[in-house]
Amino acid sequence: SQELEQSPQSLIVQEGKNLTINCTSSKTLYGLYWYKQKYGEGLIFLMMLQKGGEEKSHEKITAKLDEKKQQSSLHITASQPSHAGIYLCGAGISNDYKLSFGAGTTVTVRA
Amino acid sequence: ETGVTQTPRHLVMGMTNKKSLKCEQHLGHNAMYWYKQSAKKPLELMFVYSLEERVENNSVPSRFSPECPNSSHLFLHLHTLQPEDSALYLCASSQVRQAGELFFGEGSRLTVL
Repeated sequence: SQELEQSPQSLIVQEGKNLTINCTSSKTLYGLYWYKQKYGEGLIFLMMLQKGGEEKSHEKITAKLDEKKQQSSLHITASQPSHAGIYLCGAGISNDYKLSFGAGTTVTVRA
Repeated sequence: ETGVTQTPRHLVMGMTNKKSLKCEQHLGHNAMYWYKQSAKKPLELMFVYSLEERVENNSVPSRFSPECPNSSHLFLHLHTLQPEDSALYLCASSQVRQAGELFFGEGSRLTVL
């Protein structure tokens, strides 16, 4: 089974609407990282969360870490076409340097 | 100039061919990584190099052979591949090995016929 589960697998949202993506770990988290990928391209780092209850925002994207629930959420407010892509969460599952990744959530923004 | 550059972007090869993927980072980082991304699957870590020393070989078949001649360059040599090896191969770098902020290249799309 996957160590990091992302939900939903994909979603379609109308431009201007909000959306939320979840990332749940089956193991203790040692840092949670959000990345964005355009199809067939590399990943771009968005945000890093390290402490339970931590919340970070960048432009219209907000990420939160619920350490007790071993879960993180990524929320996009007033989505725009530029928000379309694949969002992946990565986390340190063991206390070494290795990152495990979720399978990704594909976001489509319709005009 | 992008931070992490991968070539070629696309590669089609037969199962008996030998080819190589190249990655170059211009960020002064000390750690470099190869990841494999297959459709609908999580990223799979293949190899990690730290200060030119291989520190991770994640049970990767021997038909994949990495090489790190210096801290800026990373190669993935391919030989006798199988069709199931078709995937997007991503190179990444980080300032130090214990880091979650990775800088990725745009990937090399490999198709094995």
